[in-house]
Amino acid sequence: ELKVEQNPLFLSMQEGKNYTIYCNYSTTSDRLYWYRQDPGKSLESLFVLLSNGAVKQEGRLMASLDTKARLSTLHITAAVHDLSATYFCAVDRDTDKLIFGTGTRLQVFP
Amino acid sequence: KAGVTQTPRYLIKTRGQQVTLSCSPISGHRSVSWYQQTPGQGLQFLFEYFSETQRNKGNFPGRFSGRQFSNSRSEMNVSTLELGDSALYLCASSLSGVDGYTFGSGTRLTVV
Repeated sequence: ELKVEQNPLFLSMQEGKNYTIYCNYSTTSDRLYWYRQDPGKSLESLFVLLSNGAVKQEGRLMASLDTKARLSTLHITAAVHDLSATYFCAVDRDTDKLIFGTGTRLQVFP
Repeated sequence: KAGVTQTPRYLIKTRGQQVTLSCSPISGHRSVSWYQQTPGQGLQFLFEYFSETQRNKGNFPGRFSGRQFSNSRSEMNVSTLELGDSALYLCASSLSGVDGYTFGSGTRLTVV
């Protein structure tokens, strides 16, 4: 059974600092996704990673995928308050069924 | 282009009642999937439909059912509601997994 683990579960960061969120999954997966969720809101798609070594960047966020290690990272550069949200990774195996991680609640303070 | 539309946004129901939630996918998307989000269990897959056929089902009791119409709109139904069914129900549509999944705003169901 495919399982997805994220760490940390909670992250409190000072503005301007860098940090990384980790996403491990238990079996071979075809695709990995990162989503952002603001309180009481839906999921906003951030990145879709399709192959080993894939790296995508958008603003202060950069995601990478290592399929051999079954690991994806979401790196935050020079955090700002607007990045405060919960971040989820999810994987699927060409089944159109997403398995989500537990989520990482990010809080950025001045 | 229009996004994924879910209705209603909020619902309050009594235990034992049934409820129907609706999801209209992005135009041209034929895959619609449903997820339940709760503080305790996180995001869990309910089922997925493609061209009116259920292709995948999660580990939920038979009280949870769904269907998809020829225009790709989907509905999910929960019968004999329990307090534990209180959750945010999210619908996602996709053209293919490669393009990713777009989620609707969700329906927040409260069972009292």
